[in-house]
Amino acid sequence: DVKVTQSSRYLVKRTGEKVFLECVQDMDHENMFWYRQDPGLGLRLIYFSYDVKMKEKGDIPEGYSVSREKKERFSLILESASTNQTSMYLCASSFSYGGTEAFFGQGTRLTVV
Amino acid sequence: ELKVEQNPLFLSMQEGKNYTIYCNYSTTSDRLYWYRQDPGKSLESLFVLLSNGAVKQEGRLMASLDTKARLSTLHITAAVHDLSATYFCAVDEDSGGSNYKLTFGKGTLLTVNP
Repeated sequence: DVKVTQSSRYLVKRTGEKVFLECVQDMDHENMFWYRQDPGLGLRLIYFSYDVKMKEKGDIPEGYSVSREKKERFSLILESASTNQTSMYLCASSFSYGGTEAFFGQGTRLTVV
Repeated sequence: ELKVEQNPLFLSMQEGKNYTIYCNYSTTSDRLYWYRQDPGKSLESLFVLLSNGAVKQEGRLMASLDTKARLSTLHITAAVHDLSATYFCAVDEDSGGSNYKLTFGKGTLLTVNP
């Protein structure tokens, strides 16, 4: 079974902190994605990566950065957390060619106070 | 910019009834996915539709794809309470250089009542 594992289920951070969300997949997928999910807004793509050290901005990249130093690991970084970044964050991975489903991690519920 | 629109966003059904969720998208993609999300859980893949006219069925759910109309439907037959969940459609988009990004609709919250 494909496994996508996010490092934390719940996180509480203070405004201004630097926050790291980690995601690891075990299926040798080339693509990895970070989404945030908010009520009424669905899933919005923050960043995605199609190869090690390669990344592309999604629809809402402001206030975020990413790192992919190894194929299996994709990190989302909130440089200076703000309360409007309180959300559910979902990591996903897939093979690089179109037409394959993405597999999701269990999600990280981040609260910024 | 790719747009993926689902309707309805909220659907309350009685058990035993039939209904359809619609997913319209703005690109020429012929790859569409349906996912299910239970409350507090992550997304689970339901269907992968890869060509015009594709139809997939699993239990009481059937998904179809019309790429010319840029429309996919998720049909629910004789709904049961266990189908209560949020359903998302998603579309592949070539972001250039054969890098595909996945764009989701806002989801349809389905509640099946006894």
